[in-house]
Amino acid sequence: DAKTTQPTSMDCAEGRAANLPCNHSTISGNEYVYWYRQIHSQGPQYIIHGLKNNETNEMASLIITEDRKSSTLILPHATLRDTAVYYCIVRGYNAGNMLTFGGGTRLMVKP
Amino acid sequence: NAGVMQNPRHLVRRRGQEARLRCSPMKGHSHVYWYRQLPEEGLKFMVYLQKENIIDESGMPKERFSAEFPKEGPSILRIQQVVRGDSAAYFCASSPGNAEKLFFGSGTQLSVL
Repeated sequence: DAKTTQPTSMDCAEGRAANLPCNHSTISGNEYVYWYRQIHSQGPQYIIHGLKNNETNEMASLIITEDRKSSTLILPHATLRDTAVYYCIVRGYNAGNMLTFGGGTRLMVKP
Repeated sequence: NAGVMQNPRHLVRRRGQEARLRCSPMKGHSHVYWYRQLPEEGLKFMVYLQKENIIDESGMPKERFSAEFPKEGPSILRIQQVVRGDSAAYFCASSPGNAEKLFFGSGTQLSVL
């Protein structure tokens, strides 16, 4: 699976949009971009995933660049409960089904 | 539909004892994954199982660790003769099939005294 690069940490003001970037320049055509988050001491929580089109659900939006070499996770109105480590993961659609977690971005939402 | 259930939530063992961690996947899920998270570190893949089969154990330590997912009952991660370095949070995840998204449990925090 392709590697990803994320900033180590970010701050966001409560109520504002949080934009979390991810670089995945070696992504291949059949690899999806997944986002998970881990709130302190809890198990990782699925947020969203996409292949090449932008995606939106009740939690977030995922914007993938046309060349697919980078993406941005958008939390439209961050709350204090969104403080967590956010992981961007590239995962192939094949029998190697596990997720490989990197260091992620530690998002701190401040009042 | 209950989520992925792990028990116990906390487990304390003395050095040399055995630790058994249980994971019941979500209903209808036949794929189970175990991950370990050492203090202040990221999640590391350990093993991937389908019913009665180990598919990928590339992340499992070669000694003392084993995993199973029997036809009936939960998946078990077993650590024999635990050492202090085994202290970590162990997370289980399940999915309904190949290449589907993973759902994680709340984890078991293992402390070795």
